[in-house]
Amino acid sequence: RKEVEQDPGPFNVPEGATVAFNCTYSNSASQSFFWYRQDCRKEPKLLMSVYSSGNEDGRFTAQLNRASQYISLLIRDSKLSDSATYLCAVGGAAGNKLTFGGGTRVLVKP
Amino acid sequence: DAGVIQSPRHEVTEMGQEVTLRCKPISGHNSLFWYRQTMMRGLELLIYFNNNVPIDDSGMPEDRFSAKMPNASFSTLKIQPSEPRDSAVYFCASRLTDSGANVLTFGAGSRLTVL
Repeated sequence: RKEVEQDPGPFNVPEGATVAFNCTYSNSASQSFFWYRQDCRKEPKLLMSVYSSGNEDGRFTAQLNRASQYISLLIRDSKLSDSATYLCAVGGAAGNKLTFGGGTRVLVKP
Repeated sequence: DAGVIQSPRHEVTEMGQEVTLRCKPISGHNSLFWYRQTMMRGLELLIYFNNNVPIDDSGMPEDRFSAKMPNASFSTLKIQPSEPRDSAVYFCASRLTDSGANVLTFGAGSRLTVL
């Protein structure tokens, strides 16, 4: 079993709709969680950190479920520019490595 | 801030040749990571350094791969000899590791094609 797993998609989303997807992790001792966005042929860029109580950044909401060992990302009012691959990243305490999932591809269509 | 700087951005080489990829982390960052990304395997951690010391190299595929970080502002990833299956995008990333931060910033990547 991979340490961090994601549904590769693609998730085809009508513009303006809401889309949500999860990322599961196997190490129950994980302490840090992130969502990165990667555009085609570009480097991953931090979208948002994921906090225990859940957090929101504009149209993006991230949640952490420690009991079931997954994090989620919800995108509201999808824009064409949200089309990208979303990578989750999971790490231990500060100073430890960060392991990435395979990414979930999202395609927002008019 | 110039960000994480990688070179070369693209390299095409023939099987058996030596390849050296270079990375300059963000000034002040004390951790550096080398990742490899392919369609089949996604983003894989090869090795990472804290304060110029290699901490975990368990992701390095085999002895053909080596990485060094001689000082806080420079790292290399070397493949010798290269093989077609090494074709991938190699990303370098850095972070300021302290009691709370764990956020990586990536360079633009080095796209390697081994013929």
